[in-house]
Amino acid sequence: DQQVKQNSPSLSVQEGRISILNCDYTNSMFDYFLWYKKYPAEGPTFLISISSIKDKNEDGRFTVFLNKSAKHLSLHIVPSQPGDSAVYFCAAYSGGGADGLTFGKGTHLIIQP
Amino acid sequence: DAGITQSPRHKVTETGTPVTLRCHQTENHRYMYWYRQDPGHGLRLIHYSYGVKDTDKGEVSDGYSVSRSKTEDFLLTLESATSSQTSVYFCAISGQINNEQFFGPGTRLTVL
Repeated sequence: DQQVKQNSPSLSVQEGRISILNCDYTNSMFDYFLWYKKYPAEGPTFLISISSIKDKNEDGRFTVFLNKSAKHLSLHIVPSQPGDSAVYFCAAYSGGGADGLTFGKGTHLIIQP
Repeated sequence: DAGITQSPRHKVTETGTPVTLRCHQTENHRYMYWYRQDPGHGLRLIHYSYGVKDTDKGEVSDGYSVSRSKTEDFLLTLESATSSQTSVYFCAISGQINNEQFFGPGTRLTVL
């Protein structure tokens, strides 16, 4: 049973426009959420995170929104740039957090010129 | 970049042979993790460590063992490799619980 779901395997966005990546979760014990970016043949790179006590966190061009009642979070990238083309993973911690992250399957974002 | 290295970066082996992958960190972080990434599955946790000699199983631990005798090193062993263990393996570290994890560059393992 998949606890973190990214239902869009791929997303194509024009350069300069907004990219919105979505993530849904089923485990109500999740209390900390993260987004990672991954280029081919490299390890995932941390982008931004949000605690369950907040509904928004912003860092430069990246904003994460959390809707706890809907068990949904989204990552907004504005404006989208060619270097943003990568696979984006949504991940979550539950409870104590020492037992690792639960990841979604990822969304491949393609920024078109 | 967090100081995490993985060795080897690439390995091809045969079914039934033992394989050990190494993760080395220079950050003195307490928590270390092994994940595998497969098409259609994202990253899945194999084992994790919350201190020297303190380890526990993750979601997909069958067929794997780990050891952590020093803070800086976390070893993943496949006692008898199978083709289903062909994957990309990532090590990650974290200084605190409920905090971001930093990932190594990965090891691509092919079991023939």
